[in-house]
Amino acid sequence: DAGITQSPRHKVTETGTPVTLRCHQTENHRYMYWYRQDPGHGLRLIHYSYGVKDTDKGEVSDGYSVSRSKTEDFLLTLESATSSQTSVYFCAITTGAYEQYFGPGTRLTVT
Amino acid sequence: AQSVSQHNHHVILSEAASLELGCNYSYGGTVNLFWYVQYPGQHLQLLLKYFSGDPLVKGIKGFEAEFIKSKFSFNLRKPSVQWSDTAEYFCAVRNVNYGGSQGNLIFGKGTKLSVKP
Repeated sequence: DAGITQSPRHKVTETGTPVTLRCHQTENHRYMYWYRQDPGHGLRLIHYSYGVKDTDKGEVSDGYSVSRSKTEDFLLTLESATSSQTSVYFCAITTGAYEQYFGPGTRLTVT
Repeated sequence: AQSVSQHNHHVILSEAASLELGCNYSYGGTVNLFWYVQYPGQHLQLLLKYFSGDPLVKGIKGFEAEFIKSKFSFNLRKPSVQWSDTAEYFCAVRNVNYGGSQGNLIFGKGTKLSVKP
């Protein structure tokens, strides 16, 4: 599992509230990613990071922000959650061999 | 835009049947190719990968895939499926020629496999 944990694993929140999801890795990988998974859409990249304080947007970044102040932690923030952001969120890392490994996921429900 | 197509959305097979799931990608540069499996309620796990060399690659749990460059395809196969193979399968492609966001993995929408016991 490449030493990736995500917290929380499940969250229910109300529309308009801020939400922060945390991804933690223990193996010092440089690249980290946030995806969302929705039925019929597969995995879509939200943001990624290529080092401490170095982040960039992915395919579906609107409404999301990220931060990476330490190599091991990559935070995803929904500034004002909307129902369209109800999804399963996966964090991932890429190894030096360009293999991507995923965390266990966070199921977020916005009511 | 780069894209990955998985033409089968849901495949239903009986145990011991042979499996082939299609994957096509849209660009002609050098690529890395991956198949991931997601069992119900779990995260994606790497099944196999192709970077270079022999276009027929073998992965875990008896799966294999063949890279056909001329067809931009990387189909997943298994000679005899088991009930435990019930899962969703995702093809992913990385364009080696680009860095930054264009070098990221692009995923297909997935194929759900149901194996009847």
